[in-house]
Amino acid sequence: GQNIDQPTEMTATEGAIVQINCTYQTSGFNGLFWYQQHAGEAPTFLSYNVLDGLEEKGRFSSFLSRSKGYSYLLLKELQMKDSASYLCAVRAAGNKLTFGGGTRVLVKP
Amino acid sequence: EADIYQTPRYLVIGTGKKITLECSQTMGHDKMYWYQQDPGMELHLIHYSYGVNSTEKGDLSSESTVSRIRTEHFPLTLESARPSHTSQYLCASSADSTYEQYFGPGTRLTVT
Repeated sequence: GQNIDQPTEMTATEGAIVQINCTYQTSGFNGLFWYQQHAGEAPTFLSYNVLDGLEEKGRFSSFLSRSKGYSYLLLKELQMKDSASYLCAVRAAGNKLTFGGGTRVLVKP
Repeated sequence: EADIYQTPRYLVIGTGKKITLECSQTMGHDKMYWYQQDPGMELHLIHYSYGVNSTEKGDLSSESTVSRIRTEHFPLTLESARPSHTSQYLCASSADSTYEQYFGPGTRLTVT
C-alpha cells in the first residue's frame, strides 16, 4: 500500500523560511514530486527528486532521503503569494502518482 | 501554445443526468490522468491512460468511465449523476521522457 504523511497546516511570516516535511511508505519508489496548489486552482509543478540530496531552484529547495522515506520542501524569503497548499507526491510504478493530503501554508505580513 | 484544457469549468446538474467532462491537451503526451479532489482534501487518481485505446482504473473506485480514441482527448463520463459525485475533477498529462504531470484548470461539478 501507499502512505504519504505531511502536516496539515503551517503558518509563517513574510520574509521567513518554512520547511514542509513529507514521509512516505510506498511499495516501490521511482521519484518524489512537490506541487503547489492555490485555492480553487490546479496544482503546478515545483520540483522532482529521484536521487538523495538537495535540489535548489530559486527560493524553493527540495531534499530527499530514500533510506529514510523522507523529503522536505524549503521555502525561503516567503512572500504573500506563497500562501497555498503544497502537495507531496510519490511515483511508485509507471507514471502514476500518489499524493499526500497537502500542507496548507499561510503567510502572514 | 501547448496546454491542457478542461470544459466546462463549472457545472451544476440534477440527479440522474448523463454528463461528459472534456479534457484535451496539445502537448502530444501519451499519458493522461483523471483525479478527483474534494475541497481541502487530497487528489485521488480515478482513471489513467498510457495511450490510444488504453484505459485503466485508478486507486479510487469511481462510477465514471473514460475513453481514449485520440491522443489529445480523454473525456470522462458519468451515466447517471448523483450528489455523491459532487467534487472537483482534474485532468493531467505527462510525457514519456519526463514524469512531471501537467494539470488542467479542473471542472467543479455540483449535482443537486
